[in-house]
Amino acid sequence: NAGVTQTPKFQVLKTGQSMTLQCAQDMNHEYMSWYRQDPGMGLRLIHYSVGAGITDQGEVPNGYNVSRSTTEDFPLRLLSAAPSQTSVYFCASRPGPHGETQYFGPGTRLLVL
Amino acid sequence: KNEVEQSPQNLTAQEGEFITINCSYSVGISALHWLQQHPGGGIVSLFMLSSGKKKHGRLIATINIQEKHSSLHITASHPRDSAVYICAVGNFGNEKLTFGTGTRLTIIP
Repeated sequence: NAGVTQTPKFQVLKTGQSMTLQCAQDMNHEYMSWYRQDPGMGLRLIHYSVGAGITDQGEVPNGYNVSRSTTEDFPLRLLSAAPSQTSVYFCASRPGPHGETQYFGPGTRLLVL
Repeated sequence: KNEVEQSPQNLTAQEGEFITINCSYSVGISALHWLQQHPGGGIVSLFMLSSGKKKHGRLIATINIQEKHSSLHITASHPRDSAVYICAVGNFGNEKLTFGTGTRLTIIP
């Protein structure tokens, strides 16, 4: 199993550009999440999904959209990038709702100029 | 005040020393997670605790629900243990984990 994969690993955007961060998992996990990690702060939840077709907002959802058309894929869309969205983004998945171990992707480092 | 506080923020120790990292939280929870973030940035889940104690190799995690406190211990520390250790808390059925800012551990040979 590849686990949780993320692409790209690194991206530079100009303010106002849009892009999609890809996340995929091959473990048939129902739960998937997107986090951002900023210096001096803990990981913060952006959006999450508890199954195909079901998504919900996390702590910092503004400026981001998600969709979950399949169990495997959970892309994160930046609609109009802003410098405040410069961060490292992690995708994670876990089997279900009972506090099981989360599996993290390798992260995407995003720089918005 | 942050809901999850970790101490110390930074810890440097000699190889072989016994390491303790602490996590205190201010909200009611049903699950506490310990994560390890490698120098390259990758994050690995170490433990999920809801009560008592868990052990995996040289790592031991304990939780005291009444005192809202958890500790992560590393026995016979090794330079490869150098990483950031992150505590996160939440509740079963709720995806919204709250993360601490991490403890940066450096083990010197």
